[in-house]
Amino acid sequence: GAGVSQSPSNKVTEKGKDVELRCDPISGHTALYWYRQSLGQGLEFLIYFQGNSAPDKSGLPSDRFSAERTGGSVSTLTIQRTQQEDSAVYLCASSSRQGGGSPLHFGNGTRLTVT
Amino acid sequence: KNEVEQSPQNLTAQEGEFITINCSYSVGISALHWLQQHPGGGIVSLFMLSSGKKKHGRLIATINIQEKHSSLHITASHPRDSAVYICAVRSKGGADGLTFGKGTHLIIQP
Repeated sequence: GAGVSQSPSNKVTEKGKDVELRCDPISGHTALYWYRQSLGQGLEFLIYFQGNSAPDKSGLPSDRFSAERTGGSVSTLTIQRTQQEDSAVYLCASSSRQGGGSPLHFGNGTRLTVT
Repeated sequence: KNEVEQSPQNLTAQEGEFITINCSYSVGISALHWLQQHPGGGIVSLFMLSSGKKKHGRLIATINIQEKHSSLHITASHPRDSAVYICAVRSKGGADGLTFGKGTHLIIQP
């Protein structure tokens, strides 16, 4: 596809359940970012992948959050034992190299609601 | 940690007015992004700059590295420009993630 694709677009889950969010970056983009935006809040960095380097996990809010990027392409963000404060829009972005050097392309996000 | 401040937080203007949104940051950066978020959440990257000035259509972005300040200008504003405009910076030598401002909510009235 032409853009960054995220799935699902909406996810409602019960507190305590695990969820997986998926991101398909633009083909050939080596840099991939996960962000989240809580209601009424700004964007918050979660994790960054660049090629085969070790990911920058400095933004993950707790050890319930983890992310993988398989084969340098698709990424999955996993939230274990979800809590109500995890409710947010989770956004994925990719760029052709480190984000400081090229524009970011955002997906439409996954709206996660934890009940 | 870089602190990113945007002003104003909210701005309502009439169609045709010249709009300026400001962004200041506290620590040296390698790049600054201006993003546009429309109602419904889609985010579009408008500009990525590390020095000087860039122009795209009616949008102009400038950055002053010495003053740690950037501005986004919209000329001949139009109701379709109504959106949240977000400034984001990548700190020099810091973690690779971006630090975001809280955004400026712009409404252009016809």
